[in-house]
Amino acid sequence: QSVLTQPPSASGTPGQRVTISCSGSSSNIGSNTVNWYQQLPGTAPKVLIYGNNQRPSGVPDRFSGSKSGTSASLAISGLQSEDEADYYCAAWDDSLNGHVVFGGGTKLTVL
Amino acid sequence: QMQLQESGPGLVKPSETLSLTCTVSGGSMSSYYWTWIRQPPGKGLEWIGYIYYTGSTQYNPSLTSRVSMSVDTSSRQFSLNLSPVTAADTAVYYCARGSRPFLMDVWGQGTAVTVSS
Repeated sequence: QSVLTQPPSASGTPGQRVTISCSGSSSNIGSNTVNWYQQLPGTAPKVLIYGNNQRPSGVPDRFSGSKSGTSASLAISGLQSEDEADYYCAAWDDSLNGHVVFGGGTKLTVL
Repeated sequence: QMQLQESGPGLVKPSETLSLTCTVSGGSMSSYYWTWIRQPPGKGLEWIGYIYYTGSTQYNPSLTSRVSMSVDTSSRQFSLNLSPVTAADTAVYYCARGSRPFLMDVWGQGTAVTVSS
């Protein structure tokens, strides 16, 4: 079981808006920023959102992140076929001297 | 543009030591957190830990008794040792650059390691 909780799957049709949730606790999301990673099939993960809602250069503004309390969300608007991937949330956890915790991942299917 | 490349044996016997090296090119190792992450087949990501360029380390509490990391900035390499290993350590191992302790912003392509006799 992962420390951060994500739905195992999500889906949408091209052009739709989908959201992926990430639930944590006071020791991780509640007190630290959230990062989101996108893992395309057969490739290494890459940073999609950092600092709760910041996009690295090159990431389309169709991707957005938000955080409230001990939960965070990733939203993808104008869904495209190339968005089909696994998405992971992550955050620093202050317990046990500190470490990074990941969500279990959400597989996004574009129908 | 910085690039990272993992190297090491693809097969390790149970109870032995898994040793991987990550070679950094295209930039300085200074001021970064050099991180290892793994992904068991068909499963999610697990943070193993990082070594700062100065040599200080932080490990996943669930692995701390079996993990050690080292860094050699002159050779632009950092390394992971995990011992003893079991089949549960079978995974793709990624090295990554951390611009913060919690943010891995450049990743290697990953290397698959199987633990089996």
